[in-house]
Amino acid sequence: AQSVTQLGSHVSVSEGALVLLRCNYSSSVPPYLFWYVQYPNQGLQLLLKYTSAATLVKGINGFEAEFKKSETSFHLTKPSAHMSDAAEYFCAVSGLDSSASKIIFGSGTRLSIRP
Amino acid sequence: GAVVSQHPSWVICKSGTSVKIECRSLDFQATTMFWYRQFPKQSLMLMATSNEGSKATYEQGVEKDKFLINHASLTLSTLTVTSAHPEDSSFYICSARGQVTSEAFFGQGTRLTVV
Repeated sequence: AQSVTQLGSHVSVSEGALVLLRCNYSSSVPPYLFWYVQYPNQGLQLLLKYTSAATLVKGINGFEAEFKKSETSFHLTKPSAHMSDAAEYFCAVSGLDSSASKIIFGSGTRLSIRP
Repeated sequence: GAVVSQHPSWVICKSGTSVKIECRSLDFQATTMFWYRQFPKQSLMLMATSNEGSKATYEQGVEKDKFLINHASLTLSTLTVTSAHPEDSSFYICSARGQVTSEAFFGQGTRLTVV
């Protein structure tokens, strides 16, 4: 079974500050891990993914995440927040055994940016 | 990234009627499609997973006779909400995954309101 836990349902940072969104996973098989962003009333857009290659993954819009197996974590970071980063962020996990593996989402973290 | 088109983006229907939501992969073959339901300010709840040409696999607690899923081709899956009731009002999102891709691509979602 697989699951993800996102710590903090709401994170607020000042514009220009570091963004850190936390995600811990549980998986009985080697995982694929993802971060998605959702803007109001829209679908999800993939920010980045980990697929067992490099542990430090760079994504779009300046975001990156580091896979730490020892900590079962995949935290999302961005050095300098921008107002346009305000959105809902979801961490997700799936197994890499087949393309039919389910993608399971965390509860989400709402990121607010203060001017 | 690949494009998944979901239609309609919003629909209002009367209680007791049925509503069909379409999910199309526009530029790749979607061997697996996922249907999610999202309540306001909550995460995505996986409803079912469908593989082309076979019956969908429903998650526990999801009524398969109420939420009919068809995945007849490699580019189209449909979700039909039968005999809709106000409690079925929600945001429904589909995603599609190809055979060689690790991530799933998401449609823009459908806001269903049952009155």
